[in-house]
Amino acid sequence: KQEVTQIPAALSVPEGENLVLNCSFTDSAIYNLQWFRQDPGKGLTSLLLIQSSQREQTSGRLNASLDKSSGRSTLYIAASQPGDSATYLCAVRWRNFNKFYFGSGTKLNVKP
Amino acid sequence: GAVVSQHPSRVICKSGTSVKIECRSLDFQATTMFWYRQFPKQSLMLMATSNEGSKATYEQGVEKDKFLINHASLTLSTLTVTSAHPEDSSFYICSARGTSGYYEQYFGPGTRLTVT
Repeated sequence: KQEVTQIPAALSVPEGENLVLNCSFTDSAIYNLQWFRQDPGKGLTSLLLIQSSQREQTSGRLNASLDKSSGRSTLYIAASQPGDSATYLCAVRWRNFNKFYFGSGTKLNVKP
Repeated sequence: GAVVSQHPSRVICKSGTSVKIECRSLDFQATTMFWYRQFPKQSLMLMATSNEGSKATYEQGVEKDKFLINHASLTLSTLTVTSAHPEDSSFYICSARGTSGYYEQYFGPGTRLTVT
C-alpha cells in the first residue's frame, strides 16, 4: 500500500536555526518526489522535485535528499527565517501510478 | 516557473445550486490535470485525474455525477459541483502536469467554496 508519512506534524524553531523535515514512504519504486510549501488558505508552491535517479536537489537555502532504499527524503532548511513559516508537504509518485500521494504535512513556525 | 490559475478564488452559493470552478495552465500545456479538495488542517485529497479529451478518472468514494470534470483543452479543466450542499464546502485545488521534461506538477491557488 502506498503511504507517505511526515514527522513531526508541527515544529517551532527560533529564527536562524537550521532544520530538517522528514518524509518517509513505503515501497522504494518511486518515479519522483516533490516538496511543496503551503501558506494558510493558499495553494501549493513547488519547492523541489527529485527524480528517482537523483540523490538530492538544492535551491537557495533549501536542500532535499532522497534515499530510496530506506524510503526517506529530508528537506533541509538553512538559516531559517520567519517567512519560512508554513506547512511543508511531501508528495510521492510511484511508478505505474499516475498521481501523487501526499503526506499530512509538517507545520513549521519560525519565531523571530 | 509554470503558472496555474483558478477562478474564482472564493465562491459562496446557496444549497442546491451548481458551481463551476476553472483551472488554467497559463504558460504550458497540460495533458493531465488533477482536482483535489482539502479540509481544514488536513492534507490534500485527490478527487479525480483528467486527461485532455477523455473522461476523468475518479478516486474511490468520489461521486462522479456530483463533481463533473471537463478537460476540453490542454490549458483548461473545469470542475462543476452540482446541487451543492453545505458538506461540499471546502478548499478545492487543481494541479496541472507538464507534457515534457520531468513532468513536474504545478498547483493552482485554490478555490474556497462555501455552501450556505
